[in-house]
Amino acid sequence: AQSVTQPDIHITVSEGASLELRCNYSYGATPYLFWYVQSPGQGLQLLLKYFSGDTLVQGIKGFEAEFKRSQSSFNLRKPSVHWSDAAEYFCAVGAYGYSTLTFGKGTMLLVSP
Amino acid sequence: DGGITQSPKYLFRKEGQNVTLSCEQNLNHDAMYWYRQDPGQGLRLIYYSQIVNDFQKGDIAEGYSVSREKKESFPLTVTSAQKNPTAFYLCASSTSGGEQFFGPGTRLTVL
Repeated sequence: AQSVTQPDIHITVSEGASLELRCNYSYGATPYLFWYVQSPGQGLQLLLKYFSGDTLVQGIKGFEAEFKRSQSSFNLRKPSVHWSDAAEYFCAVGAYGYSTLTFGKGTMLLVSP
Repeated sequence: DGGITQSPKYLFRKEGQNVTLSCEQNLNHDAMYWYRQDPGQGLRLIYYSQIVNDFQKGDIAEGYSVSREKKESFPLTVTSAQKNPTAFYLCASSTSGGEQFFGPGTRLTVL
């Protein structure tokens, strides 16, 4: 069965500091990986996705993620966090095509001044 | 503007009443999905539909029903059989590649 683990429920980062959110997945086939962001009371917005090719993918808002097959990981990074990045972040895995996605339970990012 | 609309944003119902949540998309996507979100639980799949007039149960379908009579619409009915219906409900649609786009959500509170 496929699964996604986001080990950190909450993370606090100072504004301007770097960020790394962890995501580990279990998937039997070639995974299609996503990071989404959700502001309180809102829907989810896609930050970036990976299916094949370069294992370092760039997304919106200055985010990037690196796929490491040997570690079954797809960690999200940002070199300098802004207060507006405070939100909940979800990692998801599925197959390419019309497929359901399995989501992690999310990591809440808090940004301190 | 292309996108997914969900209405209403907030919904209150008395216990024992059925309620229908609306989801409409104008992205021309074939597939649509319903998720339930509870604090600390992430998103859990309720139902999904890959083509008109066909849909499949997700992980937590009990107490819910759906229909897919039109490509752009995928309404979700929360029935009185759902034991704990108070939650945030999200609708999504996807491209043939699998990337899902989400609506703004409906917060359902059962009193």
